[in-house]
Amino acid sequence: RKEVEQDPGPFNVPEGATVAFNCTYSNSASQSFFWYRQDCRKEPKLLMSVYSSGNEDGRFTAQLNRASQYISLLIRDSKLSDSATYLCVVNRASGGSNYKLTFGKGTLLTVNP
Amino acid sequence: DAGVIQSPRHEVTEMGQEVTLRCKPISGHDYLFWYRQTMMRGLELLIYFNNNVPIDDSGMPEDRFSAKMPNASFSTLKIQPSEPRDSAVYFCASSPRTSGGQETQYFGPGTRLLVL
Repeated sequence: RKEVEQDPGPFNVPEGATVAFNCTYSNSASQSFFWYRQDCRKEPKLLMSVYSSGNEDGRFTAQLNRASQYISLLIRDSKLSDSATYLCVVNRASGGSNYKLTFGKGTLLTVNP
Repeated sequence: DAGVIQSPRHEVTEMGQEVTLRCKPISGHDYLFWYRQTMMRGLELLIYFNNNVPIDDSGMPEDRFSAKMPNASFSTLKIQPSEPRDSAVYFCASSPRTSGGQETQYFGPGTRLLVL
């Protein structure tokens, strides 16, 4: 089983749609979780961290289920500018010097006018 | 701040040649990471440094790959000899000191390497 698995996509949605991305991780020792966004031919950039209680940032909502080892990202009222690849990221950091991010292969989202 | 700086942005070379990729992290960041991204394997961590010291190089594919960080503002990733399967985008990223792994990693623009 891959360490981080995501919906392969691609997702094509109209503007204004709600879209959800799912991700599972295999290592129960994983301690922190993120969604990164990567535009075409650009570098990945942090979109948001994912906290156990769930968290929201504007139109974006992230949730974590540790028991199921499952992470999700919900985008409401999608915009053309949301078109990108969304990367699920897991960190097995145990404090201090152990800091390794494992990236999913990403899900491509295209928002159409 | 200029962000993470990588050079060159593009590199085309022939199989067997030595390739050197360069990275300047964000000033004040204690951690530096080298990643490789391909369509088949996605984004993979190759090696990371803390305060210029290599901490984990378990992602380095083989002895042809080596990385150094001689000072806090410069790192290199070298491939010698290069092979066509090394063709990929190589990203450098840096991060401030971590407390529980929540700090953001800031990526450079990447070096697109093509080995013919």
